[in-house]
Amino acid sequence: GAVVSQHPSRVICKSGTSVKIECRSLDFQATTMFWYRQFPKQSLMLMATSNEGSKATYEQGVEKDKFLINHASLTLSTLTVTSAHPEDSSFYICSATGLLSSYEQYFGPGTRLTVT
Amino acid sequence: AQSVTQPDIHITVSEGASLELRCNYSYGATPYLFWYVQSPGQGLQLLLKYFSGDTLVQGIKGFEAEFKRSQSSFNLRKPSVHWSDAAEYFCAVENTGNQFYFGTGTSLTVIP
Repeated sequence: GAVVSQHPSRVICKSGTSVKIECRSLDFQATTMFWYRQFPKQSLMLMATSNEGSKATYEQGVEKDKFLINHASLTLSTLTVTSAHPEDSSFYICSATGLLSSYEQYFGPGTRLTVT
Repeated sequence: AQSVTQPDIHITVSEGASLELRCNYSYGATPYLFWYVQSPGQGLQLLLKYFSGDTLVQGIKGFEAEFKRSQSSFNLRKPSVHWSDAAEYFCAVENTGNQFYFGTGTSLTVIP
């Protein structure tokens, strides 16, 4: 089946710094990628939707200047958390849909971000 | 707007007992429905999905779910639970924009 990877799997950064998370579709071209955020013992919340070559669409309440999303190619999307604060600590999960089946969505394994 | 409700935050069952996890959805069109399982610190694993056709859907690990349009439900079932089934379970609905909206999850504990 289709595989989506995320890198890094875990990252610790200091408050005020920026951190980039990569999401890659390994064996298919991802027309659309999605970013989710999950707080401990809570559900996944959709943050934004990104299509290759265009600006991401953010869900209400998500700061686009803080969570920069770039979808530069059909296999890579990046989420950059800028000027991170401890409250940004969370589990970030990406997913992707492909050209062959737009209803099938493949989730990455997630990235645990801890801001100290 | 679409939404998913999982009424049970936490369920405890004995190993070997049957299981049913409830999921209700709100969506204007024919929904695409999913159940995922998540172990601690891990990503999501797809258990099963419903797009159309037979309303009883078979998934992996012995799970099944039944789509009931009249009740706006998509409950997950398993006839005999194993200790390894202990995890967090999420129901989700996908809209026409391929965006997923998840329920709040049900935490399953399996006791020997």
